[in-house]
Amino acid sequence: QKEVEQNSGPLSVPEGAIASLNCTYSDRGSQSFFWYRQYSGKSPELIMFIYSNGDKEDGRFTAQLNKASQYVSLLIRDSQPSDSATYLCAVATSGGSYIPTFGRGTSLIVHP
Amino acid sequence: SAVISQKPSRDICQRGTSLTIQCQVDSQVTMMFWYRQQPGQSLTLIATANQGSEATYESGFVIDKFPISRPNLTFSTLTVSNMSPEDSSIYLCSGYGANEKLFFGSGTQLSVL
Repeated sequence: QKEVEQNSGPLSVPEGAIASLNCTYSDRGSQSFFWYRQYSGKSPELIMFIYSNGDKEDGRFTAQLNKASQYVSLLIRDSQPSDSATYLCAVATSGGSYIPTFGRGTSLIVHP
Repeated sequence: SAVISQKPSRDICQRGTSLTIQCQVDSQVTMMFWYRQQPGQSLTLIATANQGSEATYESGFVIDKFPISRPNLTFSTLTVSNMSPEDSSIYLCSGYGANEKLFFGSGTQLSVL
């Protein structure tokens, strides 16, 4: 059974701070890693995609992948109240399927 | 990025009826996925839909209840059959676009009375 674990939160950070979201996964064969932002009542929006060990930066977002330790994290710099949402981690394995497995999501609250 | 148009965006249905949800992709997608998301929960995979073959269902989901159509590489439908209040949920379609990025449709919020 492939598992993706996230702390459900809520994670509360002040505006302007760095928010750090973590995700661990069980399948060592996982190759693609996604972070989604989901506002209440909306569909998930892809914000980061990473497949190589190390860091990947896009604007205020940085994804960090460590395959040896089987975790992937998302850092949000200069957090804004508009970043308040649920962040979903997803992991996919190749080999013809690429069926993604989702974590339960972490609720982030950025307070002014 | 791939754009997936999903409709209806929401519906309120009576017990015992069926609803068909449609997803149209602006590019060819080999695999499409149908998810259900119940309030406060994460995404649960219902089935994987490939063009030209029957959908592959996850444990707990059956074709009679959730028939799926995938007539071509840009379109898919999911039908929720013989609905009960327990089927009230958000239903989402998704697929891989360019560079293996997974994108979602806008979702269908279903309420069954």
